[in-house]
Amino acid sequence: KNEVEQSPQNLTAQEGEFITINCSYSVGISALHWLQQHPGGGIVSLFMLSSGKKKHGRLIATINIQEKHSSLHITASHPRDSAVYICAVGLFGGSQGNLIFGKGTKLSVKP
Amino acid sequence: DTEVTQTPKHLVMGMTNKKSLKCEQHMGHRAMYWYKQKAKKPPELMFVYSYEKLSINESVPSRFSPECPNSSLLNLHLHALQPEDSALYLCASSLQRAATNEKLFFGSGTQLSVL
Repeated sequence: KNEVEQSPQNLTAQEGEFITINCSYSVGISALHWLQQHPGGGIVSLFMLSSGKKKHGRLIATINIQEKHSSLHITASHPRDSAVYICAVGLFGGSQGNLIFGKGTKLSVKP
Repeated sequence: DTEVTQTPKHLVMGMTNKKSLKCEQHMGHRAMYWYKQKAKKPPELMFVYSYEKLSINESVPSRFSPECPNSSLLNLHLHALQPEDSALYLCASSLQRAATNEKLFFGSGTQLSVL
């Protein structure tokens, strides 16, 4: 069983829809990261959180430590949000800087 | 300046070539990382430098040789690579130390093809 599970693997939405991507993990963590990767490579760190909720523009990330679950929400989705969204966790006592990555959720937002 | 700059963006090399990938940041970050990413897979950590010292080498073959000449620069020297080494190579940095609760700043990557 993977230590970090994301769902769904693929998601297609119409512009303007509210989107939720889920991440579940099975280990004790120091932090959870949400990353965005557009086609062609570069990765952008969207959020790093260890408790509660963070908001940046149309993006909201929540984490429930007891349930070992995090969600990334996108409100009023736009075609430019089309990307792969990756959940990654850092372990307590893990190798320095070594994150465990989920397999990613590929999001396509149609105009 | 909140960027991590990687050069070149694309690289094609033969199995006998020697080449280098370069990564630069001017955010005063003291931890820098090399990741390898195959298509449709998550990144895999290769090396971590913390305060310009190599702190992690994740069992990477010796044909990959990292170098950190100063706190702003990170190089990855390539020699005698194999076709299976073709991948996107990503550099990242974080502010204070190589820890899993530090926000990572990624470069746009070097797409490497080994023929």
